[in-house]
Amino acid sequence: EAGVAQSPRYKIIEKRQSVAFWCNPISGHATLYWYQQILGQGPKLLIQFQNNGVVDDSQLPKDRFSAERLKGVDSTLKIQPAKLEDSAVYLCASSPRIRTGFNNEQFFGPGTRLTVL
Amino acid sequence: QKEVEQDPGPLSVPEGAIVSLNCTYSNSAFQYFMWYRQYSRKGPELLMYTYSSGNKEDGRFTAQVDKSSKYISLFIRDSQPSDSATYLCAALYGNKLVFGAGTILRVKS
Repeated sequence: EAGVAQSPRYKIIEKRQSVAFWCNPISGHATLYWYQQILGQGPKLLIQFQNNGVVDDSQLPKDRFSAERLKGVDSTLKIQPAKLEDSAVYLCASSPRIRTGFNNEQFFGPGTRLTVL
Repeated sequence: QKEVEQDPGPLSVPEGAIVSLNCTYSNSAFQYFMWYRQYSRKGPELLMYTYSSGNKEDGRFTAQVDKSSKYISLFIRDSQPSDSATYLCAALYGNKLVFGAGTILRVKS
């Protein structure tokens, strides 16, 4: 079974520029997550989709971050404009079931490492 | 106060040592407790999970949760250089998964 795919793996941009990340979850997984992992910290949830609807975006800085999941499969996360503090690894994860509880194990992609100069 | 606290280390041990990794949490609503392993430039991968209090063993790894003290532990026996990674504790309630900062572990051969 193929894992969660993310691209690009690395991105360097200037502050105030825009950037987009792409995620392809494991086939058939209903739930998709975007996390931000700043160096030396654990992943922090930005947004969770269930099929193509948003379940939780309470920690997404909506003035500059946006995300969509078209047709309940692939997803893109965009930052516009980027700030220095957005430098981090952006992780995408997916899980197979909609219901809560630990049957809903999350599988992570390798992440996109963003550097904002 | 962070919901899940974890000492970032780094922790350096010789090969064959017993490793103890620990976290504390503040939210009594957490029901599931997990340990993820993250190798450099990779995403986290689930190592073990426990539900509520108790112990769980899987090979060289033992996870322990004490809900009365809000304490989460992972023990690694006979540690190997391949165990060198960042270990993240995490806690779950509902759909919310909260991670600790991660502890960097180095096992020297």
